[in-house]
Amino acid sequence: DAGVTQSPTHLIKTRGQHVTLRCSPISGHKSVSWYQQVLGQGPQFIFQYYEKEERGRGNFPDRFSARQFPNYSSELNVNALLLGDSALYLCASSLRGSNYGYTFGSGTRLTVV
Amino acid sequence: GESVGLHLPTLSVQEGDNSIINCAYSNSASDYFIWYKQESGKGPQFIIDIRSNMDKRQGQRVTVLLNKTVKHLSLQIAATQPGDSAVYFCAANQAGTALIFGKGTTLSVSS
Repeated sequence: DAGVTQSPTHLIKTRGQHVTLRCSPISGHKSVSWYQQVLGQGPQFIFQYYEKEERGRGNFPDRFSARQFPNYSSELNVNALLLGDSALYLCASSLRGSNYGYTFGSGTRLTVV
Repeated sequence: GESVGLHLPTLSVQEGDNSIINCAYSNSASDYFIWYKQESGKGPQFIIDIRSNMDKRQGQRVTVLLNKTVKHLSLQIAATQPGDSAVYFCAANQAGTALIFGKGTTLSVSS
């Protein structure tokens, strides 16, 4: 069975640009969450979606947005990229809108230059 | 809000030793805790979890202990192997809200 898949695996962008990261949850999972992991730190919560609705939002600026599609896949969008947005972006899926049975993908490594 | 912290940023052990990684949390309302292992270039991998109505849970070679009185949990790894070398995170959750992660402890196992 496929786990949580994220694309692309690596990405280099220039300051001020926009980026879209994609996530496909485990088959049957209806909840997707996004986390940002800066080098040397633990993951920090950005968004949670369940049944295509936003269930939670972390302390991130409005430049960060996300959505969940009818097939439960998700996109994370970041506008007006800053150098400080360079990080590993992780997607996690779970069966329902809780954190039980959370499974993470391998992440997208975003570098902003 | 919740904060989660690990006591030691690094831990070095010999192969075959037992490893203990400690973690403290701040919010007494936290009711679910998870330990993750993260290898270089990969996402966090679930190791073991525990709910607040328990104080001990065992898995294969791993044990998690929860002390709610002092808001502390630990991960014990028996007979540590080189493949256990990774960064270990504890995470706390309150009533289905976002997971709050600590900074991580890097475990190095030498043979």
